[in-house]
Amino acid sequence: KNEVEQSPQNLTAQEGEFITINCSYSVGISALHWLQQHPGGGIVSLFMLSSGKKKHGRLIATINIQEKHSSLHITASHPRDSAVYICAVPQGGSEKLVFGKGTKLTVNP
Amino acid sequence: DADVTQTPRNRITKTGKRIMLECSQTKGHDRMYWYRQDPGLGLRLIYYSFDVKDINKGEISDGYSVSRQAQAKFSLSLESAIPNQTALYFCATSQGTTTGELFFGEGSRLTVL
Repeated sequence: KNEVEQSPQNLTAQEGEFITINCSYSVGISALHWLQQHPGGGIVSLFMLSSGKKKHGRLIATINIQEKHSSLHITASHPRDSAVYICAVPQGGSEKLVFGKGTKLTVNP
Repeated sequence: DADVTQTPRNRITKTGKRIMLECSQTKGHDRMYWYRQDPGLGLRLIYYSFDVKDINKGEISDGYSVSRQAQAKFSLSLESAIPNQTALYFCATSQGTTTGELFFGEGSRLTVL
């Protein structure tokens, strides 16, 4: 079974700081998901990537397939970025996803 | 309108009662999923469906059943609710977890007393 580890578990930053959240997994994958869960509970997909790097606004996601590692970066962080960020990978190429426990980010003004 | 709609958003019920959580989607995807979220445990898959005639158990299907009434509708039932089924439940849809992004509903918070 694929094991997913996220770090850090909790992260507090000041507005404007550059944020990095890490995700490591144990078994090779074909795709990795980054999700954002708002304080109210709703979950939004940020990225699905299988190689290289993707960018959307101030968010950048990278993946290193050989090292089984992905990072989510937030540039110029803002209080509205405060949320839980979750990494997920497929279990053995199936429809079953294995989710990390999430990184809780708090950005203070 | 939201891509994925769940009802009810909140429900408090008693042990032994039957509960149904409903989900509908407007994305036109064949694949739909029910997940459960507990504090400190992350999301776990209960059931998933490739289409109306193809339903599969996830990692924690005991105590739950599902029905795929149409491509757009996927409901989750707790036949006899118990307190450890108190959790936040999410419905989601995608073209495939290895090929497309996930679209989640807003979640249904269930409390079983």
